[in-house]
Amino acid sequence: QQPVQSPQAVILREGEDAVINCSSSKALYSVHWYRQKHGEAPVFLMILLKGGEQKGHEKISASFNEKKQQSSLYLTASQLSYSGTYFCGGYNDYKLSFGAGTTVTVRA
Amino acid sequence: DTGVSQDPRHKITKRGQNVTFRCDPISEHNRLYWYRQTLGQGPEFLTYFQNEAQLEKSRLLSDRFSAERPKGSFSTLEIQRTEQGDSAMYLCASSLDTYEQFFGPGTRLTVL
Repeated sequence: QQPVQSPQAVILREGEDAVINCSSSKALYSVHWYRQKHGEAPVFLMILLKGGEQKGHEKISASFNEKKQQSSLYLTASQLSYSGTYFCGGYNDYKLSFGAGTTVTVRA
Repeated sequence: DTGVSQDPRHKITKRGQNVTFRCDPISEHNRLYWYRQTLGQGPEFLTYFQNEAQLEKSRLLSDRFSAERPKGSFSTLEIQRTEQGDSAMYLCASSLDTYEQFFGPGTRLTVL
């Protein structure tokens, strides 16, 4: 069963912040976040592991509440390059199940 | 290392034909995954290899689909007797154990 993401879409002006949420009905080993631009492959952003370990890059941070099986991705001081569709992937049983995505549009 | 590569990038075929896609993972990665993505949706898991062993297959993967990873290196995904519903982007990803998966550019399949 795929994770549920919210919101479906968000529009930002450069410099604004946004939060994307992801929740799972089943226990996850880890949560993976990806960004995909139109016509391109998903690009890895962040992995959050059980126990609190995180690996990521850029000015994007995330959290994972293991008790609630919820993760949030924080876009801080957004840049035009942040535009794209963000997917969370819940890792369990050797595979990633992706949410439907959140489309982020950053305008100048 | 140049990342995950896939070939071809685009494939147009007629219904009923067979097609084969290739994926070359990042060289030190022991896990390889195939996903399918349709417009407006996230990638859907199809199958997964650890080295040369195919350990998991999705119920989405009908008998017309087969995947191999000989010698634990590159992988091929074959679709037999293609149908219009098979039109999608087929993505390959690789990882080292359970860590982050890196995706290739994908093969866009169009079945006429």
